[in-house]
Amino acid sequence: GIQVEQSPPDLILQEGANSTLRCNFSDSVNNLQWFHQNPWGQLINLFYIPSGTKQNGRLSATTVATERYSLLYISSSQTTDSGVYFCAVQEYGNKLVFGAGTILRVKS
Amino acid sequence: GAVVSQHPSRVICKSGTSVKIECRSLDFQATTMFWYRQFPKKSLMLMATSNEGSKATYEQGVEKDKFLINHASLTLSTLTVTSAHPEDSSFYICSAPIAGNSYEQYFGPGTRLTVT
Repeated sequence: GIQVEQSPPDLILQEGANSTLRCNFSDSVNNLQWFHQNPWGQLINLFYIPSGTKQNGRLSATTVATERYSLLYISSSQTTDSGVYFCAVQEYGNKLVFGAGTILRVKS
Repeated sequence: GAVVSQHPSRVICKSGTSVKIECRSLDFQATTMFWYRQFPKKSLMLMATSNEGSKATYEQGVEKDKFLINHASLTLSTLTVTSAHPEDSSFYICSAPIAGNSYEQYFGPGTRLTVT
């Protein structure tokens, strides 16, 4: 099956800093989503981005499908950005395959 | 965005009992829903695909007799953990794509199951 790798596994930032999270995947995909899992476990949809670039406030994402990677940019980080960021790609039949996640901690 | 709810959010049960977890799509219909399991500090693992009007499809290694799934309507799927044991303790999360938009999925808030 498809493999999804995220890097870095852990990241500590000072408030106000910028960061880039990476997601590599091993095969062509129909869908790629980025999620933020908050401390209570809720997965929050950040981007649905099978290709191209999108921006939403301080967050933006780029997927280069031909090279099988996606990047999530967080600018001017805030303590509320802390949590786990997951990349997930859609395999056949609507099934999402998740990466291992990046644990982000933003210090004030 | 679309809203998916789960109930209960947290449940504690004794070994040997069964627990039912509900997943509802509140503002859209979902012919398909997905059930995931997440261990502490780990990623989400797909357990099964719930299909409205037909049998669920289970991932390899998931016991279908232990984890019973029923997709009763276009807005409700239930996961029943039968004869629960402490090793079944976990965080269970459901998701659903909007019918007609087969790609973007929305997730419920999760149910934390503790079996004593």
